[in-house]
Amino acid sequence: ETGVTQTPRHLVMGMTNKKSLKCEQHLGHNAMYWYKQSAKKPLELMFVYNFKEQTENNSVPSRFSPECPNSSHLFLHLHTLQPEDSALYLCASSQGTSGIEQFFGPGTRLTVL
Amino acid sequence: GQNIDQPTEMTATEGAIVQINCTYQTSGFNGLFWYQQHAGEAPTFLSYNVLDGLEEKGRFSSFLSRSKGYSYLLLKELQMKDSASYLCAVRDRGSTLGRLYFGRGTQLTVWP
Repeated sequence: ETGVTQTPRHLVMGMTNKKSLKCEQHLGHNAMYWYKQSAKKPLELMFVYNFKEQTENNSVPSRFSPECPNSSHLFLHLHTLQPEDSALYLCASSQGTSGIEQFFGPGTRLTVL
Repeated sequence: GQNIDQPTEMTATEGAIVQINCTYQTSGFNGLFWYQQHAGEAPTFLSYNVLDGLEEKGRFSSFLSRSKGYSYLLLKELQMKDSASYLCAVRDRGSTLGRLYFGRGTQLTVWP
């Protein structure tokens, strides 16, 4: 039990679809992260939110749109994705952005057809 | 940028000891992390080193040499459940404090 949940766990979508990934943390943390994990590649940071404010956007294409309505919830809105966007999308949280440990959710396995 | 290098794959037998190395290059080192990730699951935190030396936590130990840009994760008394990917990650002082740069991971297979 990591305290960070993600839904859905699996998602298949066409390139013209719009979908959203959801992350919720029950740990009382105030920093949340989106990572992308592709096969044979390192985990890549996408976005960082600290106290609901976006503090980092790692040059992510605009077809990925994050939303953080409060410190416990984080969304990733997807639209007009490409097949190369197929990957495991991981959410993480920590106690402040300088927190030692980031707790990861189980991820959403995304396939773009 | 950061260059983090670790072996792609390693194998070992149950009960043995294995050392997974990680080298890194960063302009403003602010900590090195090891995570374990079983297939299809979330990465889980194993260890954190910010000063030189060895940190021991049960069967797992992690070592850091900042001058050499080098770390290793030592796993003792290997068990089948230790088969997983081990991710080395470095935090850089120059960007958002929480930002971690990950290596590609080392897939460890433990044989009976």
